[in-house]
This record gives sequence, structure tokens and C-alpha cells, in this order.
Amino acid sequence: DGGITQSPKYLFRKEGQNVTLSCEQNLNHDAMYWYRQDPGQGLRLIYYSQIVNDFQKGDIAEGYSVSREKKESFPLTVTSAQKNPTAFYLCASSEGTSGNNEQFFGPGTRLTVL
Amino acid sequence: GQSLEQPSEVTAVEGAIVQINCTYQTSGFYGLSWYQQHDGGAPTFLSYNALDGLEETGRFSSFLSRSDSYGYLLLQELQMKDSASYFCAGYTGFQKLVFGTGTRLLVSP
Repeated sequence: DGGITQSPKYLFRKEGQNVTLSCEQNLNHDAMYWYRQDPGQGLRLIYYSQIVNDFQKGDIAEGYSVSREKKESFPLTVTSAQKNPTAFYLCASSEGTSGNNEQFFGPGTRLTVL
Repeated sequence: GQSLEQPSEVTAVEGAIVQINCTYQTSGFYGLSWYQQHDGGAPTFLSYNALDGLEETGRFSSFLSRSDSYGYLLLQELQMKDSASYFCAGYTGFQKLVFGTGTRLLVSP
């Protein structure tokens, strides 16, 4: 089955700790994305990558870092510099050449800072 | 900046028709998408309007007017399972989307 997986589903972290969220896709998509969603809010773009070994900051990149060493993987690190990291994190991918620009989302990781 | 505004909540009954509006404040969108998200779940793609006009996909239709910076999602023959949040998203190019504020749809029996 093709799709996007994120792990873990729930993550708890103490203040001051860095934590890495996993995102893997087997759809052979070039583009991948990380979004943050707060309760009752829309999705805000953290980072995106259009191709392996390249990525760009989104609208709220401060306190986050990413890497794109493999086409199928796009991990997100939430650093201690992120002032309010408790949120629902969604990873997505897209083909890049489809006419409808459809993004496929993973099931998300709910991060809680204690 | 780029922003897309939606009503925060819409209520309707089963079998009814409901329209969810999306207005945006930028001229830089190449098209408008709609996504559905059930509570705690992942957003799923519903439709994309690359051109002005109406696109129909089963019970759902989506409309775009660039001159009015406006679009809407029309849901017909509402079912309980349609209760979810709906997001419009503007396509900015370079494979990027900017998501709207989201509308929570509550369908009652």
C-alpha cells in the first residue's frame, strides 16, 4: 500500500528537549511538507522540500529544523528554541507534476510539552 | 500577506445543501483547493479549481471567481459523515499551498 507514515502518533516532551518527528512516504513524490495545526486553526507551513537535498522555510520555521537526505524521508526536529511547541504536526507529500497540486497527508503526530 | 478567510462554523441537517465560502486577500493564487478533515484525522483532498467556474465531483462542487477573490464549496445531500472541518487552500506555485482558517460543519439528523 502506498502512503505516508508518521511516528509516533503521540509524543510527550519535557521543556528544553529537542525531539524529532518521523515522516516517510512510498509514493515516489518529489515534494514533502511539514505543517503545524493548533486547536480550531488552519494548517501553517513550517518547512517544505521540492527535491532531495533541498528545503525551504515556510511561514513559521523558527525553532524547527529539517533534513531531506532521502526522497522518501523528511524528518522534523522541534528544538528547544520553539517557544510553544504543543500542537498537531502533519506531514504531506505531492507529486509536483499533477495538475491539481494534490497533497497527501500522513496521520499526524500530536506533540505535548510537559 | 496571503490569507484566506472562512466562516468558523456552519450547521445543517441531513439531506440539505450547504455552501462554505472562502475569500482571499492576495492576487497571487493560481488556483483554489478544498480539503476535508475529520476530528483528529488527516486532511484529504476534495477538489481543485485551476480556472474560474464550477467543478463538480459527485455530491461536492467547488467554485472559483478570481476577479472576486472568492470561492466556495457546495455540499449536496448532506450525510452525517460529512460532519468535519473544511479548508480552502490557495496554490501559490512552486508546489506550495496556503490554507484557510477552516470551517467546521455540523450535520444534524
